[in-house]
Amino acid sequence: DQQVKQNSPSLSVQEGRISILNCDYTNSMFDYFLWYKKYPAEGPTFLISISSIKDKNEDGRFTVFLNKSAKHLSLHIVPSQPGDSAVYFCAASGFSGSARQLTFGSGTQLTVLP
Amino acid sequence: EAGVTQFPSHSVIEKGQTVTLRCDPISGHDNLYWYRRVMGKEIKFLLHFVKESKQDESGMPNNRFLAERTGGTYSTLKVQPAELEDSGVYFCASSIWTGAYNEQFFGPGTRLTVL
Repeated sequence: DQQVKQNSPSLSVQEGRISILNCDYTNSMFDYFLWYKKYPAEGPTFLISISSIKDKNEDGRFTVFLNKSAKHLSLHIVPSQPGDSAVYFCAASGFSGSARQLTFGSGTQLTVLP
Repeated sequence: EAGVTQFPSHSVIEKGQTVTLRCDPISGHDNLYWYRRVMGKEIKFLLHFVKESKQDESGMPNNRFLAERTGGTYSTLKVQPAELEDSGVYFCASSIWTGAYNEQFFGPGTRLTVL
């Protein structure tokens, strides 16, 4: 049973417009959320994160929003650029004893069209 | 600064054979994680080392998988004997240890194909 879900396997956006990627989670013990970006034949690279005590975190063109009551987070990219085309993974982390692991969604392939 | 490296980048083996994957974390990173992505699905946690100790191995699929991290530096993940369902991309990640959450840095992965 997936605890982190990305229901859109793909998204296409025109260059310069906003990209919105969504993620839902089920585990209330998650207290930290991250977005990773992955290019083909490379490992995921960290993009942006948010703690559960916040509802928004912004870093340049990237903003992550967290709605704890709905157990939903989203990543906004504005303006979108062709170089943003990649697979985006939502991940969540909860502190279990002394161990921390990431629970990932299945990813959303973003294509930014020039 | 060198990132997380993994070897080999690709491995094709037959069912029943043994394969050993290697991960070299970023120098100074006490945390080392193994993950696996199967058939374009989610990236799933396998296990977590803190230095040479296994902190959490709840994600290991079965006893055909053996992970080691001798000396708290590089780690190996051995699959013996390999089955068809073991095919996928195996990622290693590392992070520093402070007790709170730290960003995990991922390697490029090893693509394992079991025929």
